Amino acid sequence: DTGVSQDPRHKITKRGQNVTFRCDPISEHNRLYWYRQTLGQGPEFLTYFQNEAQLEKSRLLSDRFSAERPKGSFSTLEIQRTEQGDSAMYLCASSPGDRGLGSYEQYFGPGTRLTVT
Amino acid sequence: DAKTTQPNSMESNEEEPVHLPCNHSTISGTDYIHWYRQLPSQGPEYVIHGLTSNVNNRMASLAIAEDRKSSTLILHRATLRDAAVYYCILRDYNNAGNMLTFGGGTRLMVKP
Repeated sequence: DTGVSQDPRHKITKRGQNVTFRCDPISEHNRLYWYRQTLGQGPEFLTYFQNEAQLEKSRLLSDRFSAERPKGSFSTLEIQRTEQGDSAMYLCASSPGDRGLGSYEQYFGPGTRLTVT
Repeated sequence: DAKTTQPNSMESNEEEPVHLPCNHSTISGTDYIHWYRQLPSQGPEYVIHGLTSNVNNRMASLAIAEDRKSSTLILHRATLRDAAVYYCILRDYNNAGNMLTFGGGTRLMVKP
């Protein structure tokens, strides 16, 4: 088990461009989460998947953001028409989701740092 | 999720114990207390969690007040590698989504 991986680790893009990030969760974890973290703040929840179904989205996830998890394995997060305010660390986490609802931990990837110029 | 309050920062000397406090006066009966930490340039890392009783694992101990309105994360011997931001998070047992709601956390600095 190699843990949660994210690609790329760093992305610099110009305002108005589209970007896509990928997350590979721990195998057999059926829950996958996306968070965003700006400098000096704690991570903020964006969205989560139970297998391939996207079950909840934060108000932070504007129409320019879309996430998918085809076949319930890896996930992608796309940002269209990027803005400077999108500059942040994008974190992915996974969890097994099959124990008591409040108890199991989430395993985070190293994050993708996005800089919009 | 109910809110937690933590000091912004704490300092410790290497090889000494560290007690990181967390107040959660509005905790409900179905809230688990979770601790995560985030080392520089890394994603958060699970440390420990508990419901009512004190808990120990290889990383730390969690002491939970009898009324559950506060808890303390205990690092028995701080090392330089423990310098991180520590987050105390409440997670509702009944929350199907179980996303984590992070506050500002406590930045722990460890002096050699």
